[in-house]
Amino acid sequence: GAGVSQTPSNKVTEKGKYVELRCDPISGHTALYWYRQSLGQGPEFLIYFQGTGAADDSGLPNDRFFAVRPEGSVSTLKIQRTERGDSAVYLCASSLVAGQPQHFGDGTRLSIL
Amino acid sequence: AQSVSQHNHHVILSEAASLELGCNYSYGGTVNLFWYVQYPGQHLQLLLKYFSGDPLVKGIKGFEAEFIKSKFSFNLRKPSVQWSDTAEYFCAVNPLTGGANNLFFGTGTRLTVIP
Repeated sequence: GAGVSQTPSNKVTEKGKYVELRCDPISGHTALYWYRQSLGQGPEFLIYFQGTGAADDSGLPNDRFFAVRPEGSVSTLKIQRTERGDSAVYLCASSLVAGQPQHFGDGTRLSIL
Repeated sequence: AQSVSQHNHHVILSEAASLELGCNYSYGGTVNLFWYVQYPGQHLQLLLKYFSGDPLVKGIKGFEAEFIKSKFSFNLRKPSVQWSDTAEYFCAVNPLTGGANNLFFGTGTRLTVIP
């Protein structure tokens, strides 16, 4: 069966540009999570959606980061005015309901030059 | 600060050796605990989980973990490792206090198994 799908798998862009990262969760999963993983670190929580609403966005580092999930399925993580420090692997995960084990995608490797 | 600690950054073992990877956390209250594995070039996969009940949980591929509440620990074990176990292993905690649903991860332990 299809797992969590993330596109693109790699994104290289210049400092100051805007980027969008897409996550397609497992069908029927109501909870969706975004994490960021820097080299040598474990994933760090960014934001969690229950359905269409952001139930917890406490992990977003600043207001340049924003995420949406307008129809309760696909989610887009948006980063404005990118900085070199934003370079990382951005992971998406979904679970059937909140609190259940999360299933991860392959991630998007974002490189800001 | 609340955290998840994995003290072993890189472990190198020969095939058939026994494995124990440490995980300690500092969150109070009720927690759900997980071990995830990331094989080279693949995504994070769930190895095992603890929600409640028997503190010794068994996962896939012969892995098990023991939750010791008094020590805030959830160590991962395998009696006899194989070359195919070479991967990065992450301990993760979901602190249920306050309604949090996200996972807090340790920094990971890289396991290299030598044939």
